[in-house]
Amino acid sequence: DTGVSQDPRHKITKRGQNVTFRCDPISEHNRLYWYRQTLGQGPEFLTYFQNEAQLEKSRLLSDRFSAERPKGSFSTLEIQRTEQGDSAMYLCASSAFLAGGEQYFGPGTRLTVT
Amino acid sequence: AQSVTQLGSHVSVSEGALVLLRCNYSSSVPPYLFWYVQYPNQGLQLLLKYTTGATLVKGINGFEAEFKKSETSFHLTKPSAHMSDAAEYFCAVSDIGTNAGKSTFGDGTTLTVKP
Repeated sequence: DTGVSQDPRHKITKRGQNVTFRCDPISEHNRLYWYRQTLGQGPEFLTYFQNEAQLEKSRLLSDRFSAERPKGSFSTLEIQRTEQGDSAMYLCASSAFLAGGEQYFGPGTRLTVT
Repeated sequence: AQSVTQLGSHVSVSEGALVLLRCNYSSSVPPYLFWYVQYPNQGLQLLLKYTTGATLVKGINGFEAEFKKSETSFHLTKPSAHMSDAAEYFCAVSDIGTNAGKSTFGDGTTLTVKP
């Protein structure tokens, strides 16, 4: 068990560019979550998957955001036409279904949009 | 809808003093409750959780929390603070049972420990 990993750890991009982040969950976990965290706030839910199915997506998530988990293992989060307001830490977490709800978090990807 | 309120965005204690971080929640169903700790530039680490059963739960690093349904609270305590406890702490709530999915987090409390 190597924990949840995220790549890249830091990303600086110019406004209007597309970015993609990757998350590798703990191997036996079938649930995977994406959160966004800005300075001074707690993580804000974006979306989650059970296996390859995307079960819920935040209504706050604009159409510029899309997430996939094609084989029920790793996941990608893509942001199209980035805006300065997208600057944040993007956290991925995984959990085992019916295991008590606790989520295991990766180190996050810090996005800076200039 | 669920929500979490953490009272006090900053708490400062002396080393060896009691730590008390406050959390109140709102949930329409029996909740799962969690405390996580976050160190700078790192992800969140689970400290402890309440699901069912005993209302006083013990976690790692000497922390514990008590679920009080009548007060809708889940305050985090530690009898004696250590310098290494300085970090940001988040309280979270999620749906119980098979629909246990997303968690709703509070805005966090930054704990400072003075020597």
